Amino acid sequence: DAGVIQSPRHEVTEMGQEVTLRCKPISGHDYLFWYRQTMMRGLELLIYFNNNVPIDDSGMPEDRFSAKMPNASFSTLKIQPSEPRDSAVYFCASTKGLETQYFGPGTRLLVL
Amino acid sequence: QQQVKQSPQSLIVQKGGISIINCAYENTAFDYFPWYQQFPGKGPALLIAIRPDVSEKKEGRFTISFNKSAKQFSLHIMDSQPGDSATYFCAGGGGGADGLTFGKGTHLIIQP
Repeated sequence: DAGVIQSPRHEVTEMGQEVTLRCKPISGHDYLFWYRQTMMRGLELLIYFNNNVPIDDSGMPEDRFSAKMPNASFSTLKIQPSEPRDSAVYFCASTKGLETQYFGPGTRLLVL
Repeated sequence: QQQVKQSPQSLIVQKGGISIINCAYENTAFDYFPWYQQFPGKGPALLIAIRPDVSEKKEGRFTISFNKSAKQFSLHIMDSQPGDSATYFCAGGGGGADGLTFGKGTHLIIQP
């Protein structure tokens, strides 16, 4: 298996623009997690899905953030409008059951 | 989410020495405690994990020590090598909670 795939790997955008991050989980995994990593706050859980259904989005910072999982092999995290404070590395992780989470390589987002 | 507190924030160890990273958790329902290793530009990857029914788990040079009464656990890296230089995250999970609560990470540098 290719592991968790994320795209793009790097994104530079201007404040106010819409940003869409994409994730393909490992085939057969039933949980998908979106995290944000910054120096100040460490690794923060934003939202997670079980069998494509959002379970807990309490970590989503604001209404500007939204996430979808239309099928078992694809998820998106959207920021609209983006702000400089959204600059971070965004990780997607998947797991079968609730133990070992397999992380993707991350998307490094810079909002100017 | 209840916190997992990790220390130190950064650590420098000489090659061949022992690296020790400590974590404390609050949620007594946690029953799964993994450690993740992250290299620059990569996503975190599972290194070793323990459940509270044992006080110690060893895999090669890596050992987790667990103290249930104190709600603390630690990672020991024996014979530390420059290739161990990375950021290490502890986490707690399970007990009915989906997902993991991560510590803020320890940046470990092994000096040759």
